[in-house]
Amino acid sequence: EVQLVESGEGLVQPGSSMKLSCVASGFTFSNYGMNWIRQAPKKGLEWIALIYYDSSSKYYADSVKGRFTISRDNSKNTLYLEMNSLRSEDTAMYYCAKQDGPAFDYWGQGVMVTVSS
Amino acid sequence: DVVMTQTPVSLSVSLGGQVSISCRSSQSLVHNNGNTYLSWYLQKPGQSPQLLIYKVSNRFSGISDRFSGSGSGTDFTLKISRVEPDDLGVYYCGQGTQYPRTFGGGTKLELK
Repeated sequence: EVQLVESGEGLVQPGSSMKLSCVASGFTFSNYGMNWIRQAPKKGLEWIALIYYDSSSKYYADSVKGRFTISRDNSKNTLYLEMNSLRSEDTAMYYCAKQDGPAFDYWGQGVMVTVSS
Repeated sequence: DVVMTQTPVSLSVSLGGQVSISCRSSQSLVHNNGNTYLSWYLQKPGQSPQLLIYKVSNRFSGISDRFSGSGSGTDFTLKISRVEPDDLGVYYCGQGTQYPRTFGGGTKLELK
């Protein structure tokens, strides 16, 4: 059974940094691209980043480019999202999602990130 | 960026009924490789989204044949027949043809 378990939830001040993790199991993690997708409270889905299976390519939404960094450690079956210079508009539920083709076939349960003073 | 527009924003249905959700993209979703990367997701209340349909009309593993996707180019439709209580929630279309990946605004399916 595919499982994606995010961690790193919390409340931080504007301008600060935070790192999310997503531990994968139930599939060969090193064979698949992985994504971060977020959802602001009561809002829709916003894709924010993708990393290829071998970390050879990374893509970002303009809203986070230059502030967020996606990475992975295939030896630990773990996906990361390092978030810097956080803003109030980054407040959202953050999901990691496995990619199959360009579809997101499995999603984690999500972690809440709140940016507020 | 490819803008995805879903209609309607909300939909009321009776159990056992049929509904259709429309998704329109601002650009063609036909990839250079000939595939069309349009997917549908359902987010049930309090849950993460789940994949229903990929590449316009392919049902994901374990998804009922009551769900069907169709369309081409820039116009796509999700049909749900014989609606059951477990079908309620917010439906999103999403495109995987271009970066950044984008989603429609969602369609909330409620009971009449």
